[in-house]
Amino acid sequence: RKEVEQDPGPFNVPEGATVAFNCTYSNSASQSFFWYRQDCRKEPKLLMSVYSSGNEDGRFTAQLNRASQYISLLIRDSKLSDSATYLCVVNTQQTGANNLFFGTGTRLTVIP
Amino acid sequence: GAVVSQHPSWVICKSGTSVKIECRSLDFQATTMFWYRQFPKQSLMLMATSNEGSKATYEQGVEKDKFLINHASLTLSTLTVTSAHPEDSSFYICSARDWSLYNEQFFGPGTRLTVL
Repeated sequence: RKEVEQDPGPFNVPEGATVAFNCTYSNSASQSFFWYRQDCRKEPKLLMSVYSSGNEDGRFTAQLNRASQYISLLIRDSKLSDSATYLCVVNTQQTGANNLFFGTGTRLTVIP
Repeated sequence: GAVVSQHPSWVICKSGTSVKIECRSLDFQATTMFWYRQFPKQSLMLMATSNEGSKATYEQGVEKDKFLINHASLTLSTLTVTSAHPEDSSFYICSARDWSLYNEQFFGPGTRLTVL
């Protein structure tokens, strides 16, 4: 079983729409959770960390459910510039090393 | 935020040659750097953890004699793909952790390797 699983999409949504991505992780000992954004042929960039209480950054809201080992990202009022692949990332510390496990990513295209 | 650079950004080489990729942390010291590989439409896979002044730790299935890692200073790690073959063609990305920013890893822009 993969460490992190995501729906690969693609999600094609009109400008202004609200879109939600989901992610599950397999290791209950995972400690930190993130959403990264990756544009085509570019490196991943941190979008936001995900906290147990849920957190919001502008149009982006992240939620974590430790009991269900489930993470979500909600994007409101989608912009064309939001088109990218969104990676769910989980940090599982093992033997002193911090290991990031990446989901395959969910591709989002925002249509004019 | 912290900046990580990689060089070269892309490389095309013949099968059997060796390719060296550099990863530098530009404005912070990184005792630990990470090397990832990403094939098309797949997730990033950790290849190895590079530790300054000591041997790298390789993930299962990654050949340490094929992917040589040297972390000679606090700001530089190199990955050498020895005797590259077409199946090694991939997007190689390094990242470095800034200990002053808890748990955040900063990624280099990646190196696209094409082996003919």
